[in-house]
Amino acid sequence: AQSVTQLGSHVSVSEGALVLLRCNYSSSVPPYLFWYVQYPNQGLQLLLKYTTGATLVKGINGFEAEFKKSETSFHLTKPSAHMSDAAEYFCAVNAGNNRKLIWGLGTSLAVNP
Amino acid sequence: ETGVTQSPTHLIKTRGQQVTLRCSSQSGHNTVSWYQQALGQGPQFIFQYYREEENGRGNFPPRFSGLQFPNYSSELNVNALELDDSALYLCASSLRTSANTDTQYFGPGTRLTVL
Repeated sequence: AQSVTQLGSHVSVSEGALVLLRCNYSSSVPPYLFWYVQYPNQGLQLLLKYTTGATLVKGINGFEAEFKKSETSFHLTKPSAHMSDAAEYFCAVNAGNNRKLIWGLGTSLAVNP
Repeated sequence: ETGVTQSPTHLIKTRGQQVTLRCSSQSGHNTVSWYQQALGQGPQFIFQYYREEENGRGNFPPRFSGLQFPNYSSELNVNALELDDSALYLCASSLRTSANTDTQYFGPGTRLTVL
């Protein structure tokens, strides 16, 4: 069975600082991994995804994530936080033939001026 | 290219009532998935429809049902509403491919409140 663990339900950084949001997964098959962002009272927006190939994936808004099979991790990073990055971030794994997504509980990112 | 749309945006119902939520998938997509997101939680998979057939279901009771229409739009129906059904309901559309790499694109959600 697949599962996703996001370490840290709340992360706070200063504007301009590095953003690191952690995601570990468990999967019995090669995983397809996703990061989504959710702004207050809105739906989920795809940030980036890993399917196959290059393990460093670049997404929108300057975010990137690296798939590390040995560590079963898919951490999300951004070199310099912006106030507009404040939101809820969700990591998800694609679970098998029915294509359903299994989600982490989310990490709330606060960016301080 | 139009994105995923959902209606209504907000809805208030009382216990025991029935509700229908609607979703229009993104142009060119043939698969719709529905998720329930309780406050402060991640989304939970309800079910998925592909070519008008249910294609996978999460741990939700039968009073949660759905439909997909020939134009790939979809409905989520919930009967006998309970207080715990209060949540944001998200619809996601995708284009099913032979590889397991479908990417789901989400609508803005319907906020359901059950009193």
